Parts: sequence; C-alpha cells; structure tokens
Amino acid sequence: GAVVSQHPSWVICKSGTSVKIECRSLDFQATTMFWYRQFPKQSLMLMATSNEGSKATYEQGVEKDKFLINHASLTLSTLTVTSAHPEDSSFYICSARESTPEAFFGQGTRLTVV
Amino acid sequence: RKEVEQDPGPFNVPEGATVAFNCTYSNSASQSFFWYRQDCRKEPKLLMSVYSSGNEDGRFTAQLNRASQYISLLIRDSKLSDSATYLCVVGWGTGRRALTFGSGTRLQVQP
Repeated sequence: GAVVSQHPSWVICKSGTSVKIECRSLDFQATTMFWYRQFPKQSLMLMATSNEGSKATYEQGVEKDKFLINHASLTLSTLTVTSAHPEDSSFYICSARESTPEAFFGQGTRLTVV
Repeated sequence: RKEVEQDPGPFNVPEGATVAFNCTYSNSASQSFFWYRQDCRKEPKLLMSVYSSGNEDGRFTAQLNRASQYISLLIRDSKLSDSATYLCVVGWGTGRRALTFGSGTRLQVQP
C-alpha cells in the first residue's frame, strides 16, 4: 500500500508555544490529505481536509486560526498547533487517499503540552 | 445518531475462539467499507476492505449488507496478536472526502 510518513512521532512543548507536524506521502501524490485527532479511548475525529494549493476545509468546532494547515506541495501537508494549551494534548494523525478508496495513515504524533 | 456505530466492547475471548463484530452506518450513499485495526498508541492500519459479496482473508471474514446498512467482521481461531481495537470505516465520493470512522471495538484475546 501507499506510504504516508508523519513527523515527529511525539513532542512535548510548553503552554503557549507552537508545534508543527509534517505529513508526507512518500510514493504517491496526494492532492488531498486529512488531519485527525484522537483522545484516549475515543475514535478518530476529523479536524480538517487539506487541499494542495488552496485553503483547508475545517470541521465544525475546529478553530482554523489555532490549527494552521498548509499543503504547499503534492506530497507535504503541515499542521501547526498555535499557542498550544494542555487541552490540545492528543494524538494527531494524518492520512491520504491515493487513487484507491482506502486511506493510509501516518504514524501519528503524540502531543503533550505542559 | 452517529454516522458509524460500533459496540465498544471490550470483547474478552480465549485463544482459539471465534469472535464477531458488527457495525451499522447511517449514510445510505456510502460506497466503500473497511475494517481497520488500531493497536494501542499506534495509527490505524487497513485490515480489509468489505464487499457486498463478502470476502475472506485467512482467518478474517467480512460481510456487507447494504439493505440493512450493516457490516460485520468475523475472526476465527483468535490469536493473542489479534488483541487490538477494530475500527469500522465507511467512505463515499472521491479521494477528496475523508473516511468516517466508528469508535472501535476493543478485542482482548487471552491465553
């Protein structure tokens, strides 16, 4: 299957700082990538759809000014958590769909804000 | 009503048991169906796609009933390594649309 790489796999940051997470499609071009967040023992919740060359589409309740998404190339999307707070601590996962219906996921980033 | 509903479990079964998971979805326009597996603190990984005709992959069998909007997964001869959370996933439209995930069913296979 297609390979999606996400970096970093974990990060600890202080409240008020910003954290950037990268998601790369390694062997295919992804015009669309998706960012999910997962809290412990809960399901994956779609945060936003990242579109190459245009603005991201955010799900209801997700602050676009707090979670900045940039999809500058066909193989890279970034999610920046700005002014992070402890309640932003979560598991963030990106995914992309190639020409096939199924989606492939990055390894996820575990963010801890202290 | 959630778009994709699953029994959260946990299902605690002995090694060698057969276990079945069910899932219902609300969007009748859904076109693609999957079971993903997620291990603790890891990303989801595709287990198998689900087709109307049913499909089997080794010890795993998946079924889709479009009329009832119901998906199932059967695991035979459970192994310790099958312990994980199984996610029922539904999609529709093109690759520009995200998949919709159920909350997952936790399976614990015991020795």
